Amino acid sequence: EAQVTQNPRYLITVTGKKLTVTCSQNMNHEYMSWYRQDPGLGLRQIYYSMNVEVTDKGDVPEGYKVSRKEKRNFPLILESPSPNQTSLYFCASSPTRSYGYTFGSGTRLTVV
Amino acid sequence: SQQGEEDPQALSIQEGENATMNCSYKTSINNLQWYRQNSGRGLVHLILIRSNEREKHSGRLRVTLDTSKKSSSLLITASRAADTASYFCATDERVKGKLIFGQGTELSVKP
Repeated sequence: EAQVTQNPRYLITVTGKKLTVTCSQNMNHEYMSWYRQDPGLGLRQIYYSMNVEVTDKGDVPEGYKVSRKEKRNFPLILESPSPNQTSLYFCASSPTRSYGYTFGSGTRLTVV
Repeated sequence: SQQGEEDPQALSIQEGENATMNCSYKTSINNLQWYRQNSGRGLVHLILIRSNEREKHSGRLRVTLDTSKKSSSLLITASRAADTASYFCATDERVKGKLIFGQGTELSVKP
């Protein structure tokens, strides 16, 4: 089944403890992107990648890192999480710019 | 930066009625997309309209795009209770290639 898989689905962590949210797609898509969704603020783009080793900042990249070493994987790294990074995170992928994105099921992160 | 702004923020209609949602944006775009999200779940791509297209249909969905006014509308005809969800427009910025989402319209369809 064609899909974007995020793990974990739920995560509660403490301030400052490094964490990684994984994202993997099995559709050979070139474009991948991370979003966070917060009430009243909608979806905001964190980082996006147009291909392997090509990444760029979205609108809210502070406090996050990404890497794109292989086409299928696009992990999101929080080096030192803070409570303001508590949010619902989505990974998404697309074959090219001219197609819609396929979204993962989301990761609900709570930082205490 | 939020590209798309949607109107209305919330819409409540009866089953069988049509629902219209509007989206305005600010910069030049490559395409505009509409997505649906059921509560807390992942977004589902509904339809994409390119900047050189004016109207597109998919089943009960009709999308229009007016690049001179930088606006789009999504019409859902003969709505069903299962259409209850949040609907988002997203614009593919021409220069940077980023996909920017609006804040969404919450649609409630009452049986």
